[in-house]
Amino acid sequence: AQTVTQSQPEMSVQEAETVTLSCTYDTSENNYYLFWYKQPPSRQMILVIRQEAYKQQNATENRFSVNFQKAAKSFSLKISDSQLGDTAMYFCAFRRNAGGTSYGKLTFGQGTILTVHP
Amino acid sequence: DVKVTQSSRYLVKRTGEKVFLECVQDMDHENMFWYRQDPGLGLRLIYFSYDVKMKEKGDIPEGYSVSREKKERFSLILESASTNQTSMYLCASSPTKSLYEQYFGPGTRLTVT
Repeated sequence: AQTVTQSQPEMSVQEAETVTLSCTYDTSENNYYLFWYKQPPSRQMILVIRQEAYKQQNATENRFSVNFQKAAKSFSLKISDSQLGDTAMYFCAFRRNAGGTSYGKLTFGQGTILTVHP
Repeated sequence: DVKVTQSSRYLVKRTGEKVFLECVQDMDHENMFWYRQDPGLGLRLIYFSYDVKMKEKGDIPEGYSVSREKKERFSLILESASTNQTSMYLCASSPTKSLYEQYFGPGTRLTVT
């Protein structure tokens, strides 16, 4: 079974600064996907960024980038030029890619509440 | 835009009541999921369905059942609600051909008194 751990329950950052959210995971799989999801206050959860484990290059989406360290099983999210709209709970998630009916399942971490201060 | 809707944003029920949470998606997705979200625990999968009338247990199925009679609708049933089922319930869907992303509904905050 996979486990995902987010060790930072809460983080805060000043507007326009950079913040990094941590995530570690444990799996015996070699082929999988990792995701960061964002859940703004009272709004729906949306995908921020994804990383395929077979790709060495770190994924980036505008101000969001990841630091994927496969050997260390670490997957951190860096938010550059933080904006007030980045205030949300962020979840790290794991999905295996081995086929079968259950391979669409996501395993989530505990979440990190990020507050961006003006 | 993919749209996943849930029947209620807030729900208050009494212990022992039978509770139905409904989820509808409009993008013809094969896969649908029910999670509960609790502080400090993240999202935990209750049940999922990969086709009409097909279902599989997730990590915490005890006390819950599901129904998927139509492709667009996935219902979560609490046969006899208990106070420890007070939680936020999130529904999600994803297409089989591209399992990169799950699309989430707004959630139902259920309180069992």
